[in-house]
Amino acid sequence: NFVLTQPHSVSESPGKSIIISCTRSSGSIVGNYVHWFQQRPGSSPTTVIYEDNQRPSGVSDRFSGSIDSSSNSASLSISGLKTEDEADYYCQAYDGNNWVFGGGTKLTVL
Amino acid sequence: HLQVQESGPGLVKPSETLSLTCTISGGSISSSTYYWGWIRQPPGKGLEWIGSIYSNGDTYYNPSLKSRVTISVDTSQNELSLKLISVTAADTAVYYCAKVPIIAASPSEFDPWSQGTLVTVSS
Repeated sequence: NFVLTQPHSVSESPGKSIIISCTRSSGSIVGNYVHWFQQRPGSSPTTVIYEDNQRPSGVSDRFSGSIDSSSNSASLSISGLKTEDEADYYCQAYDGNNWVFGGGTKLTVL
Repeated sequence: HLQVQESGPGLVKPSETLSLTCTISGGSISSSTYYWGWIRQPPGKGLEWIGSIYSNGDTYYNPSLKSRVTISVDTSQNELSLKLISVTAADTAVYYCAKVPIIAASPSEFDPWSQGTLVTVSS
């Protein structure tokens, strides 16, 4: 089985941009879609990016996703940070009948 | 618009069996275009995949829980169920069910998620 590693926390000021990384320990990040979920306190996770870089309808275009084969990682970028973006973010991937979540990143907008 | 809603006891005694049901509305649990999954989240911690099931009954479990977990579907009730045996305090968590669409013959993201139910393991 593989592991997805995320930074424990990130913080930035409103209006700025951040990137949250998700590094895969083994196997290729390419060809095995990565999805990103946002979880606000007391709420269920919701999708902000699916299939590496697709944005569900209703999700702001300030959210974007990408894949970097050289570092075997995925990234979630959020631009023009708003206080409402403060939440936990999780990456997730599927491979070989296993669904794996990253440990989650707490985003603080201050 | 497909929705999922889990239900079950909020308190389970150590060594007993945790049983939860997930009711699907607005869609069929028998659809060949979905998997269904269970995920849990211990208080203050991250998400952990428990297991998934396909419409043909094929099941897939987290290796760390495989020996204690059973996931099944009841097509007559349009329900998904989770059973976890021999529970301990470490199994205290919010439990979610979710749909997993199949895109290009492969599972896509968990969406939508249920609202989640806290199950506490305590005597």
